[in-house]
Amino acid sequence: SQTIHQWPATLVQPVGSPLSLECTVEGTSNPNLYWYRQAAGRGLQLLFYSVGIGQISSEVPQNLSASRPQDRQFILSSKKLLLSDSGFYLCAWVRQGKNTEAFFGQGTRLTVV
Amino acid sequence: AQRVTQPEKLLSVFKGAPVELKCNYSYSGSPELFWYVQYSRQRLQLLLRHISRESIKGFTADLNKGETSFHLKKPFAQEEDSAMYYCALLGGTYKYIFGTGTRLKVLA
Repeated sequence: SQTIHQWPATLVQPVGSPLSLECTVEGTSNPNLYWYRQAAGRGLQLLFYSVGIGQISSEVPQNLSASRPQDRQFILSSKKLLLSDSGFYLCAWVRQGKNTEAFFGQGTRLTVV
Repeated sequence: AQRVTQPEKLLSVFKGAPVELKCNYSYSGSPELFWYVQYSRQRLQLLLRHISRESIKGFTADLNKGETSFHLKKPFAQEEDSAMYYCALLGGTYKYIFGTGTRLKVLA
């Protein structure tokens, strides 16, 4: 069966520090991968998605970037965190086809101080 | 542009009452639409997809292309239905977007 791992679960980082959140998927090949930010009152905001190695689509211009160095690995990064980057980040794998479905990681609670 | 709108942030109903969670979408092509649910302390999970025309846990949703809506309905709410509900749209180019969510509270 397919599983999705996301870490760390919580992270406290100072303003100006770098960020790296990692997401990996097991049990499938060439998955479509997504990064979302979940905020109260704003729902799930799509940040980036990738349909293959090295292919990144950015939805929201901001202080973050994404990379896909391997088929089943998706990384969310920042060179210098801002206070406004605090939030809950979710990685998802979307199985497309007749039974399209998104599978979510456990999420990362990021607090920038 | 793709957009999903859920106008209600919070919906409170009494147990046994009908429930309707609203979802409207904007998309120029033929979208796939979904409802996801997040119970307390659990991961977001698929509830139903319009293409399957299924009923899950008593919930149904019909795609109305004329009104560009995909409202979620249940005739008799149960306390265990209390959760956060998200409407989602998959359009072209693999873009999978979600609405702002509606918190459903079913009161005893």
